[in-house]
Amino acid sequence: GAVVSQHPSWVICKSGTSVKIECRSLDFQATTMFWYRQFPKQSLMLMATSNEGSKATYEQGVEKDKFLINHASLTLSTLTVTSAHPEDSSFYICSVLRGSPYEQYFGPGTRLTVT
Amino acid sequence: GDSVTQMEGPVTLSEEAFLTINCTYTATGYPSLFWYVQYPGEGLQLLLKATKADDKGSNKGFEATYRKETTSFHLEKGSVQVSDSAVYFCALENTGTASKLTFGTGTRLQVTL
Repeated sequence: GAVVSQHPSWVICKSGTSVKIECRSLDFQATTMFWYRQFPKQSLMLMATSNEGSKATYEQGVEKDKFLINHASLTLSTLTVTSAHPEDSSFYICSVLRGSPYEQYFGPGTRLTVT
Repeated sequence: GDSVTQMEGPVTLSEEAFLTINCTYTATGYPSLFWYVQYPGEGLQLLLKATKADDKGSNKGFEATYRKETTSFHLEKGSVQVSDSAVYFCALENTGTASKLTFGTGTRLQVTL
């Protein structure tokens, strides 16, 4: 069964508003989660590494003030897209790092459409 | 920087046909290589992996061999089934990157009866 869930699976919001996406580790306490963004017919691009209890580490070119990441517990990380614009429309995917050796387990993704 | 290139899709095959999805990579050092599969409505799942040159990863009838001399990790299956219809992603994880993955663009496979 699924070990990582995302909510919502699909969200439509108006330009200028903010939207929060949740990523939950269902059966594992994860200290590290990742957030990816995927454009149509393109690869997954890593946005940031979410670390429980500390600030997220953002990849080069990702605006940390626009994409707020909070990893407040070992089972939940949230991504908030602030002041969303149509160019933020994309598929956002999270993953959980677990196991030995480490392996990433992916959520089903959230499709964001900004109108 | 690191990069992964995989063949564009969609790939359409009849059931029981032979499958090859090409994947080549560019990376410094000695990366680990992965194939992930994404079925409709689900998250990416690890299909197979190889951690060093000449290693062969295999799972569910799929195989891929880590070829350092050609920087390739092509995915193969001898006889595909309709249930194999999905999007396949090639990826690499380089040493010292804290488990970060670099993905290819994905290849959609459609298997018909």
